Amino acid sequence: DVKVTQSSRYLVKRTGEKVFLECVQDMDHENMFWYRQDPGLGLRLIYFSYDVKMKEKGDIPEGYSVSREKKERFSLILESASTNQTSMYLCATERDLMNTEAFFGQGTRLTVV
Amino acid sequence: GENVEQHPSTLSVQEGDSAVIKCTYSDSASNYFPWYKQELGKRPQLIIDIRSNVGEKKDQRIAVTLNKTAKHFSLHITETQPEDSAVYFCAARDSWGKLQFGAGTQVVVTP
Repeated sequence: DVKVTQSSRYLVKRTGEKVFLECVQDMDHENMFWYRQDPGLGLRLIYFSYDVKMKEKGDIPEGYSVSREKKERFSLILESASTNQTSMYLCATERDLMNTEAFFGQGTRLTVV
Repeated sequence: GENVEQHPSTLSVQEGDSAVIKCTYSDSASNYFPWYKQELGKRPQLIIDIRSNVGEKKDQRIAVTLNKTAKHFSLHITETQPEDSAVYFCAARDSWGKLQFGAGTQVVVTP
């Protein structure tokens, strides 16, 4: 049973703060993803990684960066949080990029004040 | 890049009736189309998927159809029950291997 765990369920941060969202998976999956979920916009891909130290921009990378130093851990970084980054953030993993299931974390609800 | 549109955004059905959600995609190279269900406060979970070499797939009360020529696919839920109330997302895997999601459909099943 795949477990994808995000470090926080809820976070409140101030504008301008540096924010770290952590995601850990225990199934040795190569591929990891960070999505942002907003009502009416679905899930939008921020960044993904298909290997350790590799990263690729998704559809909305502006204002974010990522780090993948170990296979099981993928971090999303907000360099200087802004109010328009208030959202639900979902981490996901996939074994390959073909016909396999994406497994999601429980989500982090981030509020920037 | 791939663009996935999903309709309707909200769907209210009587318990026992059928629900249909429709999605269109733009990239003719897309070949994998999953559907995810997200219950309130929970993570999205895969409920059914279809590959481009198949026109229809069923799993108990849910079914998915794919029309590659028209570039659209649909989710059908029959005999809806209150536990079917959730947000449903369609997705298409683009030529880079990434999943592009639709905006979601809030399904409410009323007893």
